Amino acid sequence: AQTVTQSQPEMSVQDAETVTLSCTYDTSENNYYLFWYKQPPSRQMILVIRQEAYKQQNATENRFSVNFQKAAKSFSLKISDSQLGDTAMYFCAFMDNFGNEKLTFGTGTRLTIIP
Amino acid sequence: DTEVTQTPKHLVMGMTNKKSLKCEQHMGHRAMYWYKQKAKKPPELMFVYSYEKLSINESVPSRFSPECPNSSLLNLHLHALQPEDSALYLCASTQGNYGYTFGSGTRLTVV
Repeated sequence: AQTVTQSQPEMSVQDAETVTLSCTYDTSENNYYLFWYKQPPSRQMILVIRQEAYKQQNATENRFSVNFQKAAKSFSLKISDSQLGDTAMYFCAFMDNFGNEKLTFGTGTRLTIIP
Repeated sequence: DTEVTQTPKHLVMGMTNKKSLKCEQHMGHRAMYWYKQKAKKPPELMFVYSYEKLSINESVPSRFSPECPNSSLLNLHLHALQPEDSALYLCASTQGNYGYTFGSGTRLTVV
């Protein structure tokens, strides 16, 4: 079974700064998908970014980018120019390629942006 | 329409009550999910429906009964719940491996 580990339960950063959230995972598969989800206090889970394991290029969405290291099974999220609206719980998630599209979540990192 | 709509947003029920949670999407997604989330914890998968058929049941107690009447609608019927079942219940849908679209959840309190 796949496992996803987020080793930083809480982080805080001043607004406009850059912050990196860590995620490692364990799988024996070669093809899979990785995601970062954001859950603000409003509680809705929002997809931040998606990475396909067979693509070497790191995914980027505006201020959000990932550092995907397949050999190390590492998938960190970098938030540049952080904003108060980035305050949320961030979950790293893994999906295999077997067709059931089941997401396995990490334990989450609570990120607080300080004004 | 790019949303998953969940109703009600809040629900308080007694341990002898029967209630239902509703989830609706009109994106044509073929898979729909129920997750349970306790405070400060990640979501835990409960059920997966694929093409309106139950494909995964993560050993959920029978007091939770899912139903998928059509490709746009997913229900979760609740009966004889326990206080420890109080949680945020999230519905999600997907079309392939592009990631889930989540609803905003139903905050359930069992008294």
